[in-house]
Amino acid sequence: GENVEQHPSTLSVQEGDSAVIKCTYSDSASNYFPWYKQELGKGPQLIIDIRSNVGEKKDQRIAVTLNKTAKHFSLHITETQPEDSAVYFCAAAGTGNQFYFGTGTSLTVIP
Amino acid sequence: DGGITQSPKYLFRKEGQNVTLSCEQNLNHDAMYWYRQDPGQGLRLIYYSQIVNDFQKGDIAEGYSVSREKKESFPLTVTSAQKNPTAFYLCASSPGNTDTQYFGPGTRLTVL
Repeated sequence: GENVEQHPSTLSVQEGDSAVIKCTYSDSASNYFPWYKQELGKGPQLIIDIRSNVGEKKDQRIAVTLNKTAKHFSLHITETQPEDSAVYFCAAAGTGNQFYFGTGTSLTVIP
Repeated sequence: DGGITQSPKYLFRKEGQNVTLSCEQNLNHDAMYWYRQDPGQGLRLIYYSQIVNDFQKGDIAEGYSVSREKKESFPLTVTSAQKNPTAFYLCASSPGNTDTQYFGPGTRLTVL
C-alpha cells in the first residue's frame, strides 16, 4: 500500500517568515494530494489540494508544489501569521479514493 | 466542518462496554469514512462506505463495526474487542465522483 512520510514533525517560524512542509509518497499510482489544517480539538480542514496533472497551485499565501518524478510534494505558507499555528497533514490518494496521511507537522508562528 | 456533525464531542465509557459514535452529513455525499487519530500517528482508516448498504474495512477495522442504512448517516460502534479504544475519532464524507474528503469535528473517546 501507499506510504506517506512528512517532515518536519515540528516547525517554529517568526511571524512574517515562510514555512515549508514536505511529504513523500511511495505509490506512483497516487494522483491526488490534499493538505489539511487541524486546530486543537477540531477536525481537519482542507486548505489546498493538487492533482497529478498539475505541478503547482497557489491560493493567496498558500501554495503546493508536486514533483511526480521524485514522488514528493510540499506546502508553502508565506507571510505567516499567528493564526497559521496548527497541525498540518498531507495525504495521498489513488484509485479507490483511500487517503493515506502523513504523521503531521505542528507549526508554531511566533509573534 | 461544513455539514458534517459528530456526536457527542466527548465520550467516556467503562472498559468492556460497546459504544456507538454518531456521524451525520447533509451534503448529499455518497461516500463516508471513519478515521482514528492517535498522537504522532496521523489518521488511520477504520471503515469506509461508498454507497448505502455497502461498506469496506480500512487498515484498522478489528474491534469496530459500522452500518450504512441511510445516505446521511454512518455510525461507528467501538466494541469490547478493540484493545485500545481511547482515541480521537473523525468522520469524513466525499462526493461520489471527486476525491476531496471533508471532515467532521470529531469525537474524543476515553475508556476508563
